[in-house]
This record gives sequence, structure tokens and C-alpha cells, in this order.
Amino acid sequence: AQSVTQLDSHVSVSEGTPVLLRCNYSSSYSPSLFWYVQHPNKGLQLLLKYTSAATLVKGINGFEAEFKKSETSFHLTKPSAHMSDAAEYFCVVSDRDGGSQGNLIFGKGTKLSVKP
Amino acid sequence: KAGVTQTPRYLIKTRGQQVTLSCSPISGHRSVSWYQQTPGQGLQFLFEYFSETQRNKGNFPGRFSGRQFSNSRSEMNVSTLELGDSALYLCASSYRWDYTEAFFGQGTRLTVV
Repeated sequence: AQSVTQLDSHVSVSEGTPVLLRCNYSSSYSPSLFWYVQHPNKGLQLLLKYTSAATLVKGINGFEAEFKKSETSFHLTKPSAHMSDAAEYFCVVSDRDGGSQGNLIFGKGTKLSVKP
Repeated sequence: KAGVTQTPRYLIKTRGQQVTLSCSPISGHRSVSWYQQTPGQGLQFLFEYFSETQRNKGNFPGRFSGRQFSNSRSEMNVSTLELGDSALYLCASSYRWDYTEAFFGQGTRLTVV
């Protein structure tokens, strides 16, 4: 069965410094991987997705993630943090088991704080 | 293109009551899934519907049920509410069942008192 582990529950950075949010996954199949962001009292917004095309995926708001099969990782990065990036980020794997229907498996989330 | 619409946004119910939440997917999307988000358990999958058929179900008691209509709109129902059912309920829509891309609504915040 698929699973997702977000290695940090909370990350704090200063504005203008790089962001790294770490995610490891396990999957028996070629996974589809996603990063979602949730601002307070809001729903989830898709940042980016990996679906077996290019391993370096670019998303919205300057975020990108690299799929590394050998390390089973899909870390999210951004070169320069902005105050508006403060939110909770979820790494997600699509659970697809052969002929069965899929559902999304969420990591526990990483809260990103951005200091001025 | 309108996004995923969930109604109502907020609900307060009493223990023992039942509640129905509604989700209108993005036009053309045929797959609708429901998730429960709580501080303790995080985001947990409830069930998924595709073309009016329940395709997958999470590990929740039978008090949680849902359905999908021919226009792809979906409802979920929780009967005999418990305090622990207080949560943000999120609906996601996708064109296909394999989640090449899923879009979420803003959720319904249910408080059980």
C-alpha cells in the first residue's frame, strides 16, 4: 500500500531565504505525487503534480519539486520565501492499485512559517 | 470556469442529529471524493464516486454515507452525529478516477455540540 511521510511538522524560514519541505513516499506502482497548500480556513490548492513525465516539476508561485525514485522522495522547494507562503503544505500520493479506483493519501502536513 | 462549490460553509449541529453536506464539482468532472480533516487525524479519505457509483470507501463507520447524482453533484450524510465528527469536510473533484488532477472546495466546517 502507498504511504507518505512528511519529515518535518513545522518549518520556519526568514523572508527571502530558500524553502525546503521534505516528503518521502512508498508505492508499489508508478505513483502520481502532488503538493497541496492550505491557507488558514481555506480549502486545498494544488501547487504541482508529478505524473511520470519530467522528474523536475514546476508549480505555481515559484515552487518546484523533484521526483527521485532512487530515494523515494518528492521534496518541495522555493528559492526565496515570501510572507504569503506561510501556510500548511501537504504531500500527497495517489493510491492506485491495478484495477481498483484511486484515492489520495495525504501526509500529516508541514506548517511553514515565514519571519520578516 | 467555476471551482468546486461546497455548501454550507459552516454548520453547527447537536449530538444525535443528522447532517447533509453538498458538493458541486467543476463542470465536466465526473469523480467526486470526500475527505475529513481534523487536527488529530489529519486528512482522511471518506469515499469516492464516479458516474453515480461509489468506487472506493475509506475506513469510516456506516453512519457516513454519500451519493452522486446524474449531474455529478454529490452529497454526504452523517447520521447520529457524535462530538468526534466535528471536522472540516472537503470535497475534491477530478475529471477521471485516477486523480491526474484533483481540485478541492473550501470545505464545510461542521461543529457538533
